[in-house]
Amino acid sequence: DIQMTQSPSSLSASVGDRVTITCRASQNITNYLNWYQQRPGKAPKLLIYAASSLQSGLPSRFSGGGSGTDLTLTISSLQPEDFATYYCQQSYSTPYTFGQGTKLEI
Amino acid sequence: QVHLVQSGTEVKEPGSSVTVSCKASGGTFNNYALTWVRQAPGQGLEWMGRVIPILDVANYALKFQGRITITADKSTNTAYMKLRGLRSDDTAVYYCTRGGDYNVLTGYLQEYIWFDPWGQGTLVTVSS
Repeated sequence: DIQMTQSPSSLSASVGDRVTITCRASQNITNYLNWYQQRPGKAPKLLIYAASSLQSGLPSRFSGGGSGTDLTLTISSLQPEDFATYYCQQSYSTPYTFGQGTKLEI
Repeated sequence: QVHLVQSGTEVKEPGSSVTVSCKASGGTFNNYALTWVRQAPGQGLEWMGRVIPILDVANYALKFQGRITITADKSTNTAYMKLRGLRSDDTAVYYCTRGGDYNVLTGYLQEYIWFDPWGQGTLVTVSS
């Protein structure tokens, strides 16, 4: 199975900050990588697919980058509603695996 | 626009089985992979398996092989996930989600797979 490791596991930030979350894969996954946001008690929500494509209807402050084994999610200017947990997920091969999550806190 | 609605909360005894349903509306149910993901309390997300209704084919994570069955009823646009031999560590919220479209002309799932949308989740508690 491909192991996905996110860093950091938690992150304190303020409204307006720029933050970057990194996802490291245990093998080359090229750009088969998705990012999700999950708020407490809610289902995950797709943010970014295929490493860098923004899901329709979402604000452009979310962006994804990278390729290979190191991929990133960047939020350019944090808004109050962005404080949540973020997960990466590889779709290179089954079983599709997720990172352990990054909790973004004020 | 695909919308997924799951069945309600379950409380089960160790060793028993649970079946969670996921009814889809919108889209072409037969042609996409209906996927199950679970999340233990305070933990991350875990892919369990998927079914492609038009093929009646399911595949599962090795971890669940022998304990899980995922099926789809094309007449009601409903998918089911049955987990047997429940243990306390199966206590989790179980989600269904759409995970890729199947192309009947090529015979392949779409190349890039992502999960969207998601059902609301079903809490399954395993306790004696």
